[in-house]
Amino acid sequence: QVQLQESGPGLVKPSQTLSLKCNVSGASISSGSSYWTWIRQPPGKGLEWIGRIYSSGTPHYNPSLQSRIILSLDTSKNQFSLRMSSVTAADTAVYYCARDRYGRSDFWGQGTLVTVSS
Amino acid sequence: DIQMTQSPPSLSASVGDRVTITCRASQTIGRHLNWFQQKPGKAPKLLIYDSSSLQSGVPSRFSGSGSGTDFTLTISSLQPEDFAIYYCQESYSYPLNFGGGTRVEI
Repeated sequence: QVQLQESGPGLVKPSQTLSLKCNVSGASISSGSSYWTWIRQPPGKGLEWIGRIYSSGTPHYNPSLQSRIILSLDTSKNQFSLRMSSVTAADTAVYYCARDRYGRSDFWGQGTLVTVSS
Repeated sequence: DIQMTQSPPSLSASVGDRVTITCRASQTIGRHLNWFQQKPGKAPKLLIYDSSSLQSGVPSRFSGSGSGTDFTLTISSLQPEDFAIYYCQESYSYPLNFGGGTRVEI
Protein backbone atom coordinates (compact mmCIF):
# COMPACT_ATOMS: atom_id res chain seq x y z
CA GLN A 1 0.00 0.00 0.00
CA VAL A 2 1.40 3.35 -1.05
CA GLN A 3 1.34 6.01 1.64
CA LEU A 4 2.23 9.69 1.40
CA GLN A 5 2.74 12.17 4.23
CA GLU A 6 3.22 15.92 3.89
CA SER A 7 5.40 17.85 6.30
CA GLY A 8 6.46 21.45 6.71
CA PRO A 9 5.73 24.65 8.61
CA GLY A 10 2.11 25.50 9.17
CA LEU A 11 2.77 29.25 9.18
CA VAL A 12 4.77 31.26 6.68
CA LYS A 13 5.24 35.02 6.59
CA PRO A 14 4.24 37.00 3.51
CA SER A 15 7.02 37.35 0.89
CA GLN A 16 8.87 34.36 2.32
CA THR A 17 9.32 30.89 0.84
CA LEU A 18 7.04 27.96 1.56
CA SER A 19 8.78 24.59 1.70
CA LEU A 20 6.95 21.30 1.94
CA LYS A 21 8.10 17.72 1.74
CA CYS A 22 6.17 14.58 0.94
CA ASN A 23 7.48 11.33 2.34
CA VAL A 24 6.55 8.26 0.33
CA SER A 25 6.36 4.68 1.60
CA GLY A 26 5.30 1.55 -0.22
CA ALA A 27 6.70 2.73 -3.55
CA SER A 28 9.96 4.07 -4.91
CA ILE A 29 9.78 7.63 -6.25
CA SER A 30 12.49 6.74 -8.77
CA SER A 31 10.53 3.89 -10.33
CA GLY A 32 9.21 4.44 -13.81
CA SER A 33 5.64 5.33 -14.79
CA SER A 34 4.93 7.42 -11.69
CA TYR A 35 4.54 11.15 -11.32
CA TRP A 36 4.63 12.85 -7.94
CA THR A 37 2.10 15.66 -7.66
CA TRP A 38 1.20 18.67 -5.55
CA ILE A 39 -2.37 19.98 -5.32
CA ARG A 40 -3.76 22.67 -3.04
CA GLN A 41 -7.13 23.75 -1.72
CA PRO A 42 -7.78 27.17 -0.18
CA PRO A 43 -10.14 27.02 2.79
CA GLY A 44 -13.70 26.45 1.60
CA LYS A 45 -12.70 26.41 -2.07
CA GLY A 46 -11.92 23.94 -4.83
CA LEU A 47 -8.82 22.05 -5.88
CA GLU A 48 -5.91 23.62 -7.75
CA TRP A 49 -3.27 21.55 -9.52
CA ILE A 50 0.18 22.95 -8.69
CA GLY A 51 2.45 20.63 -10.64
CA ARG A 52 4.08 17.26 -10.78
CA ILE A 53 7.50 15.72 -11.23
CA TYR A 54 8.30 12.53 -13.07
CA SER A 55 10.38 9.80 -11.53
CA SER A 56 13.26 10.90 -13.78
CA GLY A 57 13.16 14.38 -12.25
CA THR A 58 11.37 16.20 -15.09
CA PRO A 59 8.87 18.70 -13.64
CA HIS A 60 5.66 20.16 -15.06
CA TYR A 61 4.25 23.32 -13.49
CA ASN A 62 0.95 25.14 -13.54
CA PRO A 63 1.69 28.25 -15.64
CA SER A 64 -0.15 30.38 -13.09
CA LEU A 65 2.47 29.45 -10.47
CA GLN A 66 5.47 28.55 -12.62
CA SER A 67 7.52 31.63 -11.81
CA ARG A 68 7.37 30.90 -8.08
CA ILE A 69 7.60 27.13 -7.67
CA ILE A 70 10.24 24.43 -7.83
CA LEU A 71 9.57 20.71 -7.51
CA SER A 72 12.35 18.28 -6.73
CA LEU A 73 13.02 14.66 -5.80
CA ASP A 74 15.24 13.30 -3.03
CA THR A 75 15.65 9.66 -3.96
CA SER A 76 17.91 8.94 -0.98
CA LYS A 77 15.03 9.75 1.35
CA ASN A 78 12.25 8.63 -1.00
CA GLN A 79 10.60 12.00 -0.74
CA PHE A 80 9.73 14.90 -3.02
CA SER A 81 9.45 18.59 -2.31
CA LEU A 82 7.67 21.81 -3.18
CA ARG A 83 9.20 25.25 -2.80
CA MET A 84 7.04 28.30 -3.43
CA SER A 85 8.58 31.73 -3.21
CA SER A 86 7.10 35.18 -2.55
CA VAL A 87 4.00 33.83 -0.85
CA THR A 88 0.94 35.95 -0.11
CA ALA A 89 -2.27 35.37 1.79
CA ALA A 90 -3.71 33.90 -1.43
CA ASP A 91 -1.34 30.94 -0.98
CA THR A 92 -3.04 29.95 2.28
CA ALA A 93 -4.38 26.47 1.61
CA VAL A 94 -4.31 22.79 2.45
CA TYR A 95 -1.48 21.34 0.38
CA TYR A 96 -1.76 17.72 -0.75
CA CYS A 97 0.83 15.47 -2.29
CA ALA A 98 -0.25 12.54 -4.45
CA ARG A 99 1.02 9.81 -6.72
CA ASP A 100 -0.03 9.87 -10.36
CA ARG A 101 0.09 6.73 -12.43
CA TYR A 102 -1.33 6.41 -15.92
CA GLY A 103 -3.06 9.79 -15.69
CA ARG A 104 -4.74 9.44 -12.34
CA SER A 105 -3.92 10.45 -8.76
CA ASP A 106 -4.60 7.21 -6.97
CA PHE A 107 -2.86 7.76 -3.61
CA TRP A 108 -2.95 11.01 -1.64
CA GLY A 109 -1.44 12.36 1.54
CA GLN A 110 -3.76 13.59 4.26
CA GLY A 111 -2.91 17.21 3.49
CA THR A 112 -1.22 19.95 5.48
CA LEU A 113 -2.61 23.42 6.15
CA VAL A 114 -0.23 26.26 5.38
CA THR A 115 -1.25 29.73 6.55
CA VAL A 116 0.46 32.81 5.18
CA SER A 117 0.33 35.54 7.77
CA SER A 118 2.61 37.95 9.55
CA ASP B 1 -5.48 25.84 -20.48
CA ILE B 2 -8.52 23.59 -20.57
CA GLN B 3 -11.35 24.85 -18.38
CA MET B 4 -13.55 22.31 -16.62
CA THR B 5 -17.11 23.31 -15.76
CA GLN B 6 -19.25 21.20 -13.46
CA SER B 7 -22.99 21.37 -13.01
CA PRO B 8 -24.86 21.76 -10.85
CA PRO B 9 -22.69 23.43 -8.21
CA SER B 10 -24.83 21.74 -5.59
CA LEU B 11 -27.79 19.46 -5.39
CA SER B 12 -30.09 18.05 -2.77
CA ALA B 13 -31.03 14.41 -2.88
CA SER B 14 -32.34 11.61 -0.73
CA VAL B 15 -31.00 8.18 0.08
CA GLY B 16 -31.87 5.85 -2.79
CA ASP B 17 -32.01 8.60 -5.41
CA ARG B 18 -30.23 8.38 -8.73
CA VAL B 19 -27.82 11.32 -9.01
CA THR B 20 -26.09 12.65 -12.12
CA ILE B 21 -23.31 15.25 -12.18
CA THR B 22 -21.98 16.70 -15.40
CA CYS B 23 -18.56 18.01 -16.35
CA ARG B 24 -17.79 19.92 -19.53
CA ALA B 25 -14.31 20.57 -20.92
CA SER B 26 -13.57 23.76 -22.89
CA GLN B 27 -11.93 21.64 -25.60
CA THR B 28 -11.85 17.99 -26.47
CA ILE B 29 -9.97 15.74 -24.04
CA GLY B 30 -10.83 12.31 -25.42
CA ARG B 31 -11.60 10.11 -22.43
CA HIS B 32 -8.94 11.66 -20.18
CA LEU B 33 -11.27 12.49 -17.32
CA ASN B 34 -11.11 11.54 -13.63
CA TRP B 35 -13.71 11.86 -10.90
CA PHE B 36 -12.94 12.36 -7.21
CA GLN B 37 -15.01 12.37 -4.03
CA GLN B 38 -14.05 14.57 -1.11
CA LYS B 39 -15.51 14.47 2.38
CA PRO B 40 -14.96 17.22 4.97
CA GLY B 41 -11.41 17.34 6.31
CA LYS B 42 -10.27 14.51 4.07
CA ALA B 43 -8.16 14.19 0.95
CA PRO B 44 -9.98 13.57 -2.32
CA LYS B 45 -10.53 9.95 -3.25
CA LEU B 46 -10.29 8.67 -6.82
CA LEU B 47 -13.57 7.13 -8.00
CA ILE B 48 -13.39 6.94 -11.79
CA TYR B 49 -10.51 7.29 -14.26
CA ASP B 50 -10.39 7.41 -18.05
CA SER B 51 -14.01 8.60 -18.03
CA SER B 52 -15.60 5.26 -17.15
CA SER B 53 -13.12 2.94 -15.39
CA LEU B 54 -13.98 2.20 -11.78
CA GLN B 55 -11.08 2.55 -9.37
CA SER B 56 -10.39 -0.57 -7.32
CA GLY B 57 -12.51 -0.75 -4.18
CA VAL B 58 -15.09 1.81 -5.32
CA PRO B 59 -18.72 0.59 -5.13
CA SER B 60 -20.36 -0.29 -8.42
CA ARG B 61 -23.17 2.22 -7.85
CA PHE B 62 -20.68 4.81 -9.14
CA SER B 63 -20.30 5.00 -12.90
CA GLY B 64 -18.88 7.44 -15.41
CA SER B 65 -19.42 8.09 -19.07
CA GLY B 66 -18.60 10.51 -21.84
CA SER B 67 -15.88 11.49 -24.25
CA GLY B 68 -14.70 14.59 -26.05
CA THR B 69 -16.05 17.50 -24.03
CA ASP B 70 -19.05 16.15 -22.10
CA PHE B 71 -18.89 13.75 -19.19
CA THR B 72 -21.19 12.46 -16.46
CA LEU B 73 -20.80 10.85 -13.07
CA THR B 74 -23.80 8.81 -11.95
CA ILE B 75 -24.59 7.40 -8.54
CA SER B 76 -27.30 4.82 -9.15
CA SER B 77 -28.68 4.67 -5.61
CA LEU B 78 -27.39 7.33 -3.24
CA GLN B 79 -26.16 6.03 0.10
CA PRO B 80 -25.64 8.04 3.32
CA GLU B 81 -21.87 7.87 2.92
CA ASP B 82 -22.08 9.44 -0.55
CA PHE B 83 -22.92 12.92 0.70
CA ALA B 84 -19.76 14.77 -0.26
CA ILE B 85 -18.23 17.08 -2.87
CA TYR B 86 -17.39 15.61 -6.26
CA TYR B 87 -14.70 16.97 -8.60
CA CYS B 88 -13.81 16.17 -12.17
CA GLN B 89 -10.25 16.58 -13.47
CA GLU B 90 -8.88 16.44 -16.98
CA SER B 91 -5.68 14.47 -17.49
CA TYR B 92 -5.19 15.39 -21.16
CA SER B 93 -2.95 18.45 -21.06
CA TYR B 94 -1.11 20.67 -18.61
CA PRO B 95 -2.20 22.14 -16.28
CA LEU B 96 -4.39 19.24 -15.18
CA ASN B 97 -7.34 21.38 -14.14
CA PHE B 98 -10.17 20.44 -11.83
CA GLY B 99 -13.79 21.41 -12.12
CA GLY B 100 -15.29 23.66 -9.48
CA GLY B 101 -16.97 20.80 -7.64
CA THR B 102 -20.52 19.62 -7.01
CA ARG B 103 -21.77 19.40 -3.44
CA VAL B 104 -24.25 16.58 -2.88
CA GLU B 105 -26.41 17.33 0.15
CA ILE B 106 -29.28 15.69 1.90
